[in-house]
Amino acid sequence: AQKVTQAQTEISVVEKEDVTLDCVYETRDTTYYLFWYKQPPSGELVFLIRRNSFDEQNEISGRYSWNFQKSTSSFNFTITASQVVDSAVYFCALSVAPFNAGKSTFGDGTTLTVKP
Amino acid sequence: DTEVTQTPKHLVMGMTNKKSLKCEQHMGHRAMYWYKQKAKKPPELMFVYSYEKLSINESVPSRFSPECPNSSLLNLHLHALQPEDSALYLCASSVQQGSYEQYFGPGTRLTVT
Repeated sequence: AQKVTQAQTEISVVEKEDVTLDCVYETRDTTYYLFWYKQPPSGELVFLIRRNSFDEQNEISGRYSWNFQKSTSSFNFTITASQVVDSAVYFCALSVAPFNAGKSTFGDGTTLTVKP
Repeated sequence: DTEVTQTPKHLVMGMTNKKSLKCEQHMGHRAMYWYKQKAKKPPELMFVYSYEKLSINESVPSRFSPECPNSSLLNLHLHALQPEDSALYLCASSVQQGSYEQYFGPGTRLTVT
C-alpha cells in the first residue's frame, strides 16, 4: 500500500519569506511518480510538478524548487520569496506505475497562508 | 489550452431531485476522472474513464452515475442523494490513464438539502 504524509497541516509566513513544504511517501514499488498540486481558494487543483522515481535531480521553476531524496523518501517543495498569491492548499501525491492505473494517493495537504 | 471546464459552479438539490454535472476538455486527453472533495480533505477518486470506457469505479454508490458521451465530455448524473454527499466535485483529465499529471476543472460545489 502507498502512503503520503504531509506533516505540516498549516503554515503561516510573511511575504518574502522562504517556506518549505514537506512530503514523505511510502511505497514498496521501485517505479513511481510524485506530484505536487496547488489548490487556491477558487477550488481547482493546479498541477505543479511530476517527478519519476528514477530522476533524483532537483528542479527549479522560478520561485519554486523541489528536492527529491529517495534515501529519506521525501519530496519537499520550497517557495522562495513567498507572495500573497501563493496562499493555497498544497497537495503532494504518489502514483505507482503501471498497476494503479491513474490512481493517486494524496497527502492531507498543507494550508499555506502568506501575509502581506 | 490546458483548460477543463465544469458546469454548474454551484448546485443545490433536494434528496429527491435528479441533476447532472458536466465536464469538458479539449486537450485531446483520453482519460477523465471524477473526484469528490470534502472540506479540508484531499480529493477522493470516484471514477476513471479511459478511451470513453469506464475503467475504475471506486465502489461509488449507484446514486452517482457517470457517463462519457465522447472523448471531450464527462457527465455525472445524480439521483436521490444524501446530505452527506454535499461536497466539491472535481473533474480532471490526463493524456492517458496512468501516472500522468492531471488537469483539473474548477469544480461544482454541491449542496444536498
